[in-house]
Amino acid sequence: GAVVSQHPSWVICKSGTSVKIECRSLDFQATTMFWYRQFPKQSLMLMATSNEGSKATYEQGVEKDKFLINHASLTLSTLTVTSAHPEDSSFYICSASVLAGGAEQFFGPGTRLTVL
Amino acid sequence: AQSVSQHNHHVILSEAASLELGCNYSYGGTVNLFWYVQYPGQHLQLLLKYFSGDPLVKGIKGFEAEFIKSKFSFNLRKPSVQWSDTAEYFCAVNTYNQGGKLIFGQGTELSVKP
Repeated sequence: GAVVSQHPSWVICKSGTSVKIECRSLDFQATTMFWYRQFPKQSLMLMATSNEGSKATYEQGVEKDKFLINHASLTLSTLTVTSAHPEDSSFYICSASVLAGGAEQFFGPGTRLTVL
Repeated sequence: AQSVSQHNHHVILSEAASLELGCNYSYGGTVNLFWYVQYPGQHLQLLLKYFSGDPLVKGIKGFEAEFIKSKFSFNLRKPSVQWSDTAEYFCAVNTYNQGGKLIFGQGTELSVKP
């Protein structure tokens, strides 16, 4: 149980285009979903926290107009990278939690984004 | 601000050697503590977690960790490593007043030589 999927697993796009990444909790309802960014050989950096039906809470320094997060249902959250540039190339990972606050997070396999 | 520090960036061991990876956090309140592992090309998997109770926590694959509150530490241990333990290990902390978000340490790359 507690499986989280991401789609696509990798994507290559041209500079200036937008890319949508989906995160789904397959066998449980996720009250809260989190989006992380991981650079090569580095740790995970939390970008934002999203609760179903409400606006995402972004971490300091993360542009909310560039990284649009939608958590429309208890099993789906999407991250849209708008007007992507090469510096947005990274590994994006989502996680899902059953309870708000203090609960274990289950991680997706990640999405490798390469912007040309 | 809360932070998590992992002392070792890269650890190289031979098979059967004992392992201890350090993790310290800075936060004075109640915390939940986690160790995650990321095998090459794979996603993060939970090794073990501490919420409350016995400070010595046993996880999967023979790993264990000890929560020492006075030292703000949650070190990961394994008595005898295997080549298959080669991976990146992340310590993480969350607190109830932060909406459940995890703060990750920098990660420790473990290389086990056969």
